[in-house]
Amino acid sequence: EAQVTQNPRYLITVTGKKLTVTCSQNMNHEYMSWYRQDPGLGLRQIYYSMNVEVTDKGDVPEGYKVSRKEKRNFPLILESPSPNQTSLYFCASSLFRGRGTEAFFGQGTRLTVV
Amino acid sequence: GQQVMQIPQYQHVQEGEDFTTYCNSSTTLSNIQWYKQRPGGHPVFLIQLVKSGEVKKQKRLTFQFGEAKKNSSLHITATQTTDVGTYFCAGDSGSARQLTFGSGTQLTVLP
Repeated sequence: EAQVTQNPRYLITVTGKKLTVTCSQNMNHEYMSWYRQDPGLGLRQIYYSMNVEVTDKGDVPEGYKVSRKEKRNFPLILESPSPNQTSLYFCASSLFRGRGTEAFFGQGTRLTVV
Repeated sequence: GQQVMQIPQYQHVQEGEDFTTYCNSSTTLSNIQWYKQRPGGHPVFLIQLVKSGEVKKQKRLTFQFGEAKKNSSLHITATQTTDVGTYFCAGDSGSARQLTFGSGTQLTVLP
C-alpha cells in the first residue's frame, strides 16, 4: 500500500531534550516536506527536500533540522525543543515539484513540549 | 512572500444546506490544490485546478479557479454529515518550491 509513515504519532517531551520524528514513504517520490499545523494558521512548511541531499528552508524553519540521506526517509530533528514547538506535525511527499502534483500526507505527529 | 487567505475560518450548516469556502492569493498562481482533513485525520488531496476560469466537479463538490488565477472557491451542494472536516486550499506560484496553504475552513454539518 502506497503510504507516508510517521513515527511516533504522539510524543510528550521536556524542553531541551533532543528528539527526532521519522518519516518514510514507499512511493519513490522525489519531493518531501514537513509542515506544522496550528489552530487558525493552517499548514506551514518547515523544510522541504527536492531529492536526496537537497534540502531547503520553508516558511518556519527556526529550531528544526532535516536530512535526506535516502530517497524514502526524511526525518525532522528538534535539537532543543521549546514549548512553542508544541504542534501537530505532518510529513508529506509528492512525485516531484514544479508541475503541481498532489501531496500525500502522513498520519501526523502530535508533539507536546513541556 | 506569497500569502493565501481563506475564508471563512468556521462554518456551521444544517444538513442539506450548501457551503462555500473562498481562497485568495496575494500573487498569481500556477495552479491551486484543494485538500480535505477529517477530524483527527490528515489532509487528503481532492483536486487540482490549473487553467484560468477552470471549473471542475466531483459529485456535489464544485471547484472554481478565477480568471486572474488569484482566487478559487469550493462549493458543496446539499451538505451531508460525511462532509464534516477542514478544507484547505494550497497555492502553487510555480516559481516557489512549495505549496502555500490557506488557513482552512472548518465545516460542521448539523444533522
